[in-house]
Amino acid sequence: DAGVTQSPTHLIKTRGQQVTLRCSPKSGHDTVSWYQQALGQGPQFIFQYYEEEERQRGNFPDRFSGHQFPNYSSELNVNALLLGDSALYLCASSLFLEQFFGPGTRLTVL
Amino acid sequence: GENVEQHPSTLSVQEGDSAVIKCTYSDSASNYFPWYKQELGKRPQLIIDIRSNVGEKKDQRIAVTLNKTAKHFSLHITETQPEDSAVYFCAASIGGYALNFGKGTSLLVTP
Repeated sequence: DAGVTQSPTHLIKTRGQQVTLRCSPKSGHDTVSWYQQALGQGPQFIFQYYEEEERQRGNFPDRFSGHQFPNYSSELNVNALLLGDSALYLCASSLFLEQFFGPGTRLTVL
Repeated sequence: GENVEQHPSTLSVQEGDSAVIKCTYSDSASNYFPWYKQELGKRPQLIIDIRSNVGEKKDQRIAVTLNKTAKHFSLHITETQPEDSAVYFCAASIGGYALNFGKGTSLLVTP
């Protein structure tokens, strides 16, 4: 049984570009949450998807958007990248309370 | 929104000693409190959690306590080992929604 997977592992973009990150939840999980983790900080909640709808959103601008597919996998899109968007992007899947994290995507914006 | 404070930011103990990390939360509606361990370059790993209807939970060398009245919860690691060295994060959540994390505690266990 595969755990939570994310792709790509690393990504380098330049300011103003757009990026799409992908997440496949743990088998049997129906909820996906996305977090941004800056270096030396705790993860910050971006949004959560359940039944293909955004169920809750954190304090992130509209440049951050997402999607959940019928197979529960999810995408995170970030438009008009800023230098400050450089971070580790983590997705977590859950069925009830426990959230299990994927390995993350390291995004570097130059 | 929920605000989670975590102390200390760094903690150094000798192998075999105990380590205690404390967190406070602000939203009285929070009812789920997980702890994550993150090794360098790795994903956060859920190590223990507690729900608001329980005051204490133990799993081998790790225990968590919750004081709902005071809105604080703590992680206790006994008989620490070098492999316990990592960054530990507390979090608070309402139901299965957003996890609000503390800033983390860097634990170093020296042989």
